[in-house]
Amino acid sequence: NAGVTQTPKFQVLKTGQSMTLQCAQDMNHNSMYWYRQDPGMGLRLIYYSASEGTTDKGEVPNGYNVSRLNKREFSLRLESAAPSQTSVYFCASSEIRGETEAFFGQGTRLTVV
Amino acid sequence: GENVEQHPSTLSVQEGDSAVIKCTYSDSASNYFPWYKQELGKRPQLIIDIRSNVGEKKDQRIAVTLNKTAKHFSLHITETQPEDSAVYFCAALYNAGNMLTFGGGTRLMVKP
Repeated sequence: NAGVTQTPKFQVLKTGQSMTLQCAQDMNHNSMYWYRQDPGMGLRLIYYSASEGTTDKGEVPNGYNVSRLNKREFSLRLESAAPSQTSVYFCASSEIRGETEAFFGQGTRLTVV
Repeated sequence: GENVEQHPSTLSVQEGDSAVIKCTYSDSASNYFPWYKQELGKRPQLIIDIRSNVGEKKDQRIAVTLNKTAKHFSLHITETQPEDSAVYFCAALYNAGNMLTFGGGTRLMVKP
């Protein structure tokens, strides 16, 4: 049982490049989330998907897009990376919206130069 | 939206002492308050949570208290050990259960 798996673990991008962060969970959870974590700051919600087929903006959605490909997978896309998007990105999932424990992936450390 | 303030940002205690971390939230409709522990370079993991119909919850050396009137909740760790050293995040759930808002985190250092 792998839980929540993110790829890649590390990535360096040049300004203006695009990339997609992949996330998959094997716990049959309905809800999935993308957070970013900056030094000295908490986790800030980028986008979430309360259930398969739905996605909604979180606190800091600008510059990102998401796709809930199926119940297992939730991807995050940066269309034109900017240095301000340098951060650690965490994917998470929970059984029922946010009212149960959120399980996090191991994180993706993204640097935009 | 919800706003969660967490204090202190850093906390240093001697092994065996108690540690208390406090959080306040803004949305009175928030009804679920989890606490996550993040060790260096690792992912956040849930350590305890409390729902709005409960005032206090304990799990061994960890306890959480909730004051809905004042809109604040606290994490209490007793008999701290070096392995308790980590960053702790509080969070509050609002918007009909769709969004979990995190506090800024507290770096706890337990000195042996």
